[in-house]
Amino acid sequence: NAGVTQTPKFQVLKTGQSMTLQCAQDMNHNSMYWYRQDPGMGLRLIYYSASEGTTDKGEVPNGYNVSRLNKREFSLRLESAAPSQTSVYFCASSARGRDYGYTFGSGTRLTVV
Amino acid sequence: AQSVTQLGSHVSVSEGALVLLRCNYSSSVPPYLFWYVQYPNQGLQLLLKYTSAATLVKGINGFEAEFKKSETSFHLTKPSAHMSDAAEYFCAVSAYNTDKLIFGTGTRLQVFP
Repeated sequence: NAGVTQTPKFQVLKTGQSMTLQCAQDMNHNSMYWYRQDPGMGLRLIYYSASEGTTDKGEVPNGYNVSRLNKREFSLRLESAAPSQTSVYFCASSARGRDYGYTFGSGTRLTVV
Repeated sequence: AQSVTQLGSHVSVSEGALVLLRCNYSSSVPPYLFWYVQYPNQGLQLLLKYTSAATLVKGINGFEAEFKKSETSFHLTKPSAHMSDAAEYFCAVSAYNTDKLIFGTGTRLQVFP
């Protein structure tokens, strides 16, 4: 099925460990995004990529890095995980244009102990 | 700058009752507005969107929303709630000159039998 695929779906890390969250879309979208969702705080943008080869910080980038490997893939890396990064992470993509909206992946539930 | 405000973080209705979820927006340019739904342990999916055509927009699962410029509102309604409507609902506005969406903090809808 066409859409946005995120892996893994669940992950438990120890404080200080590193990991990469993977995201791929097969809709030929230009823009891709990483959000975190925490209770009572809605969706907060971590990083986004308007096109292959470009990335920009969102509102909560500290502790994260991203790579736009090609047009399809946009990965999020936690270099040294902290308990404050326990969250649900969503990847999304969109075509060009303000009227398009996003297609979301199903999320990665990350727990840092 | 663009922003959205969702009034009421929790809304409870009885099955068969009217659903009304409120969203007010602020935008310096003509807005594009979206409603997304998130069922438990899933990603967000598009319910409907307003892109400057008809002011009354119909979406999936019997939901609709009306764009009212004079009230800067885009409230989501459904005439008769069903148990399966229990979810979290997010209103979003398209940011100026980018593909990004700006999300509200969400409203959790509970439906009682």
